[in-house]
Amino acid sequence: DAKTTQPPSMDCAEGRAANLPCNHSTISGNEYVYWYRQIHSQGPQYIIHGLKNNETNEMASLIITEDRKSSTLILPHATLRDTAVYYCIVRAIASSGSARQLTFGSGTQLTVLP
Amino acid sequence: KAGVTQTPRYLIKTRGQQVTLSCSPISGHRSVSWYQQTPGQGLQFLFEYFSETQRNKGNFPGRFSGRQFSNSRSEMNVSTLELGDSALYLCASSLDGVGDTQYFGPGTRLTVL
Repeated sequence: DAKTTQPPSMDCAEGRAANLPCNHSTISGNEYVYWYRQIHSQGPQYIIHGLKNNETNEMASLIITEDRKSSTLILPHATLRDTAVYYCIVRAIASSGSARQLTFGSGTQLTVLP
Repeated sequence: KAGVTQTPRYLIKTRGQQVTLSCSPISGHRSVSWYQQTPGQGLQFLFEYFSETQRNKGNFPGRFSGRQFSNSRSEMNVSTLELGDSALYLCASSLDGVGDTQYFGPGTRLTVL
C-alpha cells in the first residue's frame, strides 16, 4: 500500500472548518483513501473513504485532487470533541481474496481551541 | 446495530503470565483483525481471521496467537507476557476483510508489571 504524509499537528478554532491535508503521491489506481480518527486511548473511528470523487457524509467531506496524489479531510464546523489524531490511509482493494491490514502512519494531532 | 465490543477493557498482569482477550464483531461481519498499539511503535497489525481461519499474519512472535469461533467472535492469547507487551490491543471487524471498511472496538488496555 502507498505511503502517506501528514502534518504532525494542527490547530483549529471551535466552530471553524478544519482542513486536514494528506499527501499520497505514490497512490495506485486501485487504492482508496481512508480517514480514521482516534481520540486519546480509544479505538480508531472510521470517518470516510473515497477513490477519486469527492465524498461527503454526516461527519466530514473528503476532497481528492484530480491526480489523486493528495486529499483533504474537511470537518465543516469543528467542536472540542473533534480533538483527536487523524489518520490518512491508502488501501488497495485486494482482488485475490487475501486480507489487507490497515497500515497507520503517525497521523495529524488536531487540537480544536475554544 | 451494536458496534465492536472488546472485553475486558483493562487488564493488569505480571511477567510470565498469559492473557486472553475477547472481541465480538459487528453482527454480520465475518472478518476480525487484531492490532497492537504502543506509543513507540504505533498501530501494528497482529493477525486477521475469517471464517475461523487465520488469513493474514503480522510480524509478531509465536507467543501471540488467536482464534475465531463459528459465530465470528474472536480471541487472542498472549503467553509468557513480557513488559513490552503492555499496549492497547484493538480489534476491528469488517464484512469480509477484502478491502471493505474496518470498524474498531474500544480496545483492551493491557499492563504488564
